[in-house]
Amino acid sequence: DAGITQSPRHKVTETGTPVTLRCHQTENHRYMYWYRQDPGHGLRLIHYSYGVKDTDKGEVSDGYSVSRSKTEDFLLTLESATSSQTSVYFCAISLDRGDQPQHFGDGTRLSIL
Amino acid sequence: QQQVKQSPQSLIVQKGGISIINCAYENTAFDYFPWYQQFPGKGPALLIAIRPDVSEKKEGRFTISFNKSAKQFSLHIMDSQPGDSATYFCAAINTDKLIFGTGTRLQVFP
Repeated sequence: DAGITQSPRHKVTETGTPVTLRCHQTENHRYMYWYRQDPGHGLRLIHYSYGVKDTDKGEVSDGYSVSRSKTEDFLLTLESATSSQTSVYFCAISLDRGDQPQHFGDGTRLSIL
Repeated sequence: QQQVKQSPQSLIVQKGGISIINCAYENTAFDYFPWYQQFPGKGPALLIAIRPDVSEKKEGRFTISFNKSAKQFSLHIMDSQPGDSATYFCAAINTDKLIFGTGTRLQVFP
């Protein structure tokens, strides 16, 4: 498996609380991505990064923010979690631009009550 | 708005049979079409990928067929095995963004 670690792997929290998910890579890949996976929707891109401090929005970015201060770390923050953000979140990395293979972490299961 | 449509949602195949999953797209700017395999509790893993200048790509028991004029592509799994039971996602690249289909849950019975 590509060197991708997501933390935490599971989290239960309450509506209105802030939540931060972390993705750490040891591959020195330039691109990093955050997806959410929901039944009937497949995986949908939330945000992605193409370098340190360089990020862009994906398909479902509302309610989420990201930060990348180091090549190896990409953080996803839910400023005020809502029940609609209950999902499984996946981080992915790719060596270069988006048409290179993306390698995924094993996900974070987030439940917001 | 689903830019990549995948069917069927679920598929049951006998061991040794052929599994076929179909995808269709609208955006002619897509230039890379990967397939991912996902087992429960794990992240998707790249299985095989194709670019639109090729009509077919084969890797072992897995083959992608690509029809550029029809804007369709499909995954064929020959001699399907119980270990192939997983969820399969087609995808397409739009600039730097990967757009996924909704997934097909494949079950292969002995």
